[in-house]
Amino acid sequence: GQQVMQIPQYQHVQEGEDFTTYCNSSTTLSNIQWYKQRPGGHPVFLIQLVKSGEVKKQKRLTFQFGEAKKNSSLHITATQTTDVGTYFCAGTSGGSYIPTFGRGTSLIVHP
Amino acid sequence: KAGVTQTPRYLIKTRGQQVTLSCSPISGHRSVSWYQQTPGQGLQFLFEYFSETQRNKGNFPGRFSGRQFSNSRSEMNVSTLELGDSALYLCASRAPNQETQYFGPGTRLLVL
Repeated sequence: GQQVMQIPQYQHVQEGEDFTTYCNSSTTLSNIQWYKQRPGGHPVFLIQLVKSGEVKKQKRLTFQFGEAKKNSSLHITATQTTDVGTYFCAGTSGGSYIPTFGRGTSLIVHP
Repeated sequence: KAGVTQTPRYLIKTRGQQVTLSCSPISGHRSVSWYQQTPGQGLQFLFEYFSETQRNKGNFPGRFSGRQFSNSRSEMNVSTLELGDSALYLCASRAPNQETQYFGPGTRLLVL
């Protein structure tokens, strides 16, 4: 079945440093979604990428979808303590509406 | 619109008991999915219901079951609880023909 790998599992950064999490799928994806889960909270939808090579920005967050639609990344510029949480990617493929989630990357920002 | 709601938010049960969790999706969303989240396994898909029918099922034992009502509200039942069932159970709804999942706050289940 489809597998979605996400690295790193954890990332400690000093406030102001950049952060990147990477997502790789074993199959070509129809689309990829990114979610953020704050400590003690639930996953909240951030964005969906559909097109090959697509790049989208949300303020300090930049999302990329690979040309082959098998990988994606989330980059945060100049992290803030409010960025703390676990970032999940979730990919769908084969006509299914059910996404396969990566294990997530937990971001810890030290002030 | 109101978001996805789940009840109860917290639950403590003992081994062998059974539990029923409830989820009310966003108005107009007919698809409801259930996930189990644990520190070791991450987000694991349990099943999806659409128009009162189970449409997709994850790799969980038959002790885990669910149903959906005509108003799209969904319930999930776990029978013969085991210690390993302790987890955050998340419900997510989505609009027709959309992949974006909107998660509820979850029910945190502790099995003693």
